[in-house]
Amino acid sequence: DSGVTQTPKHLITATGQRVTLRCSPRSGDLSVYWYQQSLDQGLQFLIQYYNGEERAKGNILERFSAQQFPDLHSELNLSSLELGDSALYFCASSGGPPRENTEAFFGQGTRLTVV
Amino acid sequence: AQTVTQSQPEMSVQEAETVTLSCTYDTSENNYYLFWYKQPPSRQMILVIRQEAYKQQNATENRFSVNFQKAAKSFSLKISDSQLGDTAMYFCAFMPMEYGNKLVFGAGTILRVKS
Repeated sequence: DSGVTQTPKHLITATGQRVTLRCSPRSGDLSVYWYQQSLDQGLQFLIQYYNGEERAKGNILERFSAQQFPDLHSELNLSSLELGDSALYFCASSGGPPRENTEAFFGQGTRLTVV
Repeated sequence: AQTVTQSQPEMSVQEAETVTLSCTYDTSENNYYLFWYKQPPSRQMILVIRQEAYKQQNATENRFSVNFQKAAKSFSLKISDSQLGDTAMYFCAFMPMEYGNKLVFGAGTILRVKS
């Protein structure tokens, strides 16, 4: 168990809909990362939050948004869903100050299927 | 911008033999971490090994070891006595040591261990 919790584990929804994926980081971790992994593909970095603020942005579509709350949990919102958004969405967390708990620990992912 | 390159999309090895996965990276940072993550068919992301750039000694974890060449910006993973359970996608990753650091992944190498 990595200590990172993602809910739900599986999600099936129709095109055009909106969903929210939730991530609770490891206790004490300040950074949260979101990644998208399509079938047999690598990890596409979406966005990173650090202590409540957006820190880095990757190839995140305008239909997608995220936030990190004061309790450090994070949500990834996906709207106007398309078939191509079907993927495994990972959340990862890591510590803050340099040289402390710097590994990124991954949740088990949310498997999103858009039909 | 930091980039991570894994030049071997797929590799195979016989059970009990040794295999080396390659990784190169590009950065202007001086202090950073490097990681190898394993993703088995279950799709869970598992940290295999970590290397701090300020350490000259190569990291080892049981059958897994790295060859870290800082000047060449190379970070290869050696798996000794390969086991069937080592079959997975392996990702090389880079993380600067600064606050709110961003984790950057390579495209991954699929490793198949054959009996």
